[in-house]
Amino acid sequence: EADIYQTPRYLVIGTGKKITLECSQTMGHDKMYWYQQDPGMELHLIHYSYGVNSTEKGDLSSESTVSRIRTEHFPLTLESARPSHTSQYLCASSGNRGLGSPLHFGNGTRLTVT
Amino acid sequence: DQQVKQNSPSLSVQEGRISILNCDYTNSMFDYFLWYKKYPAEGPTFLISISSIKDKNEDGRFTVFLNKSAKHLSLHIVPSQPGDSAVYFCAASAQGYSGAGSYQLTFGKGTKLSVIP
Repeated sequence: EADIYQTPRYLVIGTGKKITLECSQTMGHDKMYWYQQDPGMELHLIHYSYGVNSTEKGDLSSESTVSRIRTEHFPLTLESARPSHTSQYLCASSGNRGLGSPLHFGNGTRLTVT
Repeated sequence: DQQVKQNSPSLSVQEGRISILNCDYTNSMFDYFLWYKKYPAEGPTFLISISSIKDKNEDGRFTVFLNKSAKHLSLHIVPSQPGDSAVYFCAASAQGYSGAGSYQLTFGKGTKLSVIP
């Protein structure tokens, strides 16, 4: 059973709209991440956070932004959606045990921008 | 430049036989490796990991082998079961090196395993 929740699961939206993808975790993890994945491709890190008020960009450039005001919540926002943003977005978190803390993923949001 | 490579996009295995999924990496800084399993419409779930100080880690039907000199790791599933049918992702990180990037994972493209009953 997932302890990290993403909403919505699926989203179809028109070009130019502002969207926010929600991610919440109940495990008290300090570290949270957003990955982007296209079908048949690897997951790419686009944002990460090591705690409240800490956010960094990942190795894949993204026009999205994130915020971390509360430990359990790590929303991702696209100010103006474009068809190139069509992808699956996966949120993850990890604990504080260093090497013993694998990522826990949510079930993802599949975004389609028309 | 892809640092973690899974060169087989798919693999089919008979139920009860061994499944071997392979992964190669190029970054010699990687010192921690993980395998994740992903079912359709779900997020990846952690399966098994190995530190670079080991060459083998076993958990039930799953064993991961690491060959550092060849920069190669493999996941063995024995015996394979139909419920093992999923996409398997290899991932690596350079956790031994401090800094903001030490907990980031670099993923391969995945191998789709089909276990035939």
